[in-house]
Amino acid sequence: GEDVEQSLFLSVREGDSSVINCTYTDSSSTYLYWYKQEPGAGLQLLTYIFSNMDMKQDQRLTVLLNKKDKHLSLRIADTQTGDSAIYFCAERGNQGGKLIFGQGTELSVKP
Amino acid sequence: GAGVSQTPSNKVTEKGKYVELRCDPISGHTALYWYRQSLGQGPEFLIYFQGTGAADDSGLPNDRFFAVRPEGSVSTLKIQRTERGDSAVYLCASSNGPGETQYFGPGTRLLVL
Repeated sequence: GEDVEQSLFLSVREGDSSVINCTYTDSSSTYLYWYKQEPGAGLQLLTYIFSNMDMKQDQRLTVLLNKKDKHLSLRIADTQTGDSAIYFCAERGNQGGKLIFGQGTELSVKP
Repeated sequence: GAGVSQTPSNKVTEKGKYVELRCDPISGHTALYWYRQSLGQGPEFLIYFQGTGAADDSGLPNDRFFAVRPEGSVSTLKIQRTERGDSAVYLCASSNGPGETQYFGPGTRLLVL
């Protein structure tokens, strides 16, 4: 079945780059997403990538997709304390609209 | 509206009671989704509507859970005979079509005592 895996925790220093990794199993995934969740808040869409792309850059965010290995990463440049949150990777297959989420990676940014 | 809204923001109920959770999607969005997020987990899909009809209800855990969207806009998730294991945050999302980006509401935090 469909499955999305992420490491649970990442700790970085302010100003460093953060890299959050995700693996998925569904080879028919068409879109892959990164969402951010701050404490007590809903999910905020950060960025997404179509499965025929291998990289997408959006300001401080860079998404890399290795479709062969079913590996997705999110790089945040110049990480700030305001980036502290839980980051969810999600994939959408080619049938219907449902998203399959990973467990989330808690990013802690230390000053 | 400006975004997806959900009411109530918090709901405390007793085991065995019936609850209704409401979602107001972004105006004009035809697709609406319900997810459930347990503590420390990612959201899990429950059901999605395209217009008034449930296009995929494969994530509903059992027949105590039911959702409607009678006019193709507002949706209500209904849970009968609540159990303590139903305690979670229930998230609603909407999109401008089934393949489009989903925008999430703030969620309803349900606690079953």
